[in-house]
Amino acid sequence: EGQLVESGGGLVQPGGSLRLSCAASGFTFSSYGLNWVRQAPGMGLEWVSYVSSRSTSIYYRDSVRGRFTSSRDNAKNSLYLQMNSLRVEDTAVYYCARDDPTYGGNPFNCWGPGTLVTVSS
Amino acid sequence: EIVLTQSPATLSLSPGERATLSCRASQSVRTYLAWYQQKGGQAPRLLIYDASNRATGIPARFSGSGSGTDFTLTISTLEPEDFAVYYCQQRSTWPITFGQGTRLEIK
Repeated sequence: EGQLVESGGGLVQPGGSLRLSCAASGFTFSSYGLNWVRQAPGMGLEWVSYVSSRSTSIYYRDSVRGRFTSSRDNAKNSLYLQMNSLRVEDTAVYYCARDDPTYGGNPFNCWGPGTLVTVSS
Repeated sequence: EIVLTQSPATLSLSPGERATLSCRASQSVRTYLAWYQQKGGQAPRLLIYDASNRATGIPARFSGSGSGTDFTLTISTLEPEDFAVYYCQQRSTWPITFGQGTRLEIK
């Protein structure tokens, strides 16, 4: 089934940077696309970024493009999100979520517990 | 960007009742629609994929229907553990988008 665990969250000032990591286990990491999804306090889910299994396709939502960079290291079974020029509105719990290509429509069938990023002065 | 609108925002029902949740897309997403359940402080859990297929381990009281722009999640007989927030999600077109959620609360 697999497991994902995020780390690297914390308190950062506006304009600052933070790097999130997502460690995977229990499945063949290099075979799956991965996503970052965030949830601001008391709000709904918001997709942030996608990285394909071999990093050949990487997508971002408009509000983070140019500030956030997603990457993965298949040798280390890890996904990363480098977040620069952080804004107050980036405050959220950030989840790592795995595609499930065996299911039609590639839903997110494995999620980490999330890591909280707080952007505040 | 495809906007998903869920209704109602809040649904108040009692255990044993039937719940019907709606998700409407601003343009066709074919059947590339999933439903997730999220309980307080936890990560979301996949319930339904491809509009009408239950994920592994999901009880048969959960069912999904629809295609194109109109979708429904039905919980046939509510159990106490079903009270949570439910989100729909489309993956027909980038960016991936979620609905704003329906909170299912105990009446």
